[in-house]
Amino acid sequence: KAGVTQTPRYLIKTRGQQVTLSCSPISGHRSVSWYQQTPGQGLQFLFEYFSETQRNKGNFPGRFSGRQFSNSRSEMNVSTLELGDSALYLCASSLARDSSSTDTQYFGPGTRLTVL
Amino acid sequence: GEDVEQSLFLSVREGDSSVINCTYTDSSSTYLYWYKQEPGAGLQLLTYIFSNMDMKQDQRLTVLLNKKDKHLSLRIADTQTGDSAIYFCAESKDYGGSQGNLIFGKGTKLSVKP
Repeated sequence: KAGVTQTPRYLIKTRGQQVTLSCSPISGHRSVSWYQQTPGQGLQFLFEYFSETQRNKGNFPGRFSGRQFSNSRSEMNVSTLELGDSALYLCASSLARDSSSTDTQYFGPGTRLTVL
Repeated sequence: GEDVEQSLFLSVREGDSSVINCTYTDSSSTYLYWYKQEPGAGLQLLTYIFSNMDMKQDQRLTVLLNKKDKHLSLRIADTQTGDSAIYFCAESKDYGGSQGNLIFGKGTKLSVKP
């Protein structure tokens, strides 16, 4: 079974631009979570999607948004990029047998975003 | 304060055992995890433990959980140079039944000297 895939792997943008990152979960997994990893703040939870609905949200500004499609693939979008948005963005998928469960999360390789 | 705390560095000799410690604060956390991250890579799930267990063994890995002290440890037996990486402890937060939010420690960088 293929693991979690993320595209693109590397991205360079300038301040003020917007960016969309994509995540394809493990086949059969229904929950997708997004995390931001920076040297200063470590790993921080952004949001989680299940059945095309945002189920949980971390403490990030509204510039960070996401969505999930009917095939469980997910995208996250960051608008009006700031230098501090430079980070590794990790996506994780889990089986989530129903709307009240998550199960173990498996991570993709991440997208390295650099904002100049 | 931090939800999950870990020491930042650990150095061991090849063949020795490594013990990485973690403390967490949320007694309602149901799952506790250990992830490994190698340079330039994502997170690799190593093992996890239910909060109603006190020990789990998986080949060279042993996880010990002390719920009273909210202390979790990962022991790696016969540590190899390939084990050099950053190890993250994480707890699941339960929001209305969903556990989609992992809270991570800052990570422990394990260096294995030949």
